[in-house]
Amino acid sequence: DVKVTQSSRYLVKRTGEKVFLECVQDMDHENMFWYRQDPGLGLRLIYFSYDVKMKEKGDIPEGYSVSREKKERFSLILESASTNQTSMYLCAMSGLNTEAFFGQGTRLTVV
Amino acid sequence: DQQVKQNSPSLSVQEGRISILNCDYTNSMFDYFLWYKKYPAEGPTFLISISSIKDKNEDGRFTVFLNKSAKHLSLHIVPSQPGDSAVYFCAARWNTGNQFYFGTGTSLTVIP
Repeated sequence: DVKVTQSSRYLVKRTGEKVFLECVQDMDHENMFWYRQDPGLGLRLIYFSYDVKMKEKGDIPEGYSVSREKKERFSLILESASTNQTSMYLCAMSGLNTEAFFGQGTRLTVV
Repeated sequence: DQQVKQNSPSLSVQEGRISILNCDYTNSMFDYFLWYKKYPAEGPTFLISISSIKDKNEDGRFTVFLNKSAKHLSLHIVPSQPGDSAVYFCAARWNTGNQFYFGTGTSLTVIP
């Protein structure tokens, strides 16, 4: 059974804090993604990575950075959290010709 | 610019009837299309996919139809069940690309 595990289901952080969201996959797949989901806006891609230490900006990278030091782990970093980053964050991974598999999501609230 | 569009934010259907969810895309390079289902507070789960070399793919109660000339795909659920109530996302990718492009989702409610 494919597993994408996000470190937290729910997080509450203060404005200005540095926030780390961790994601681990167990399939040795190349591609990993971070999305955020907001009502009416669907899934918007923040960053993706197609290999260790490689990253590409998605549609909404501003205010975020990522790290992929090991193949199985892809971290999303909010450098200085703001209230407009309150959202559901979804990590996903895929192989070369496979569908994307998602984690359970992290509901982040910035107060 | 949204390359994958779901123009119906919501849909209500009676239990036992057919649900039809629609999706349009603009990029003719897309050749792999997927549907995902999402419950609140959970991650999306893969439902069904179709390659551009086909025009139909079936899996149990779920069928996806692809009309390449119209750049349109649809998901049919027959018969609809209350447990099908969820948000459905359409997605697309091209063969040499890594990235998936998602629509904005359609919230399906199946009324018992």
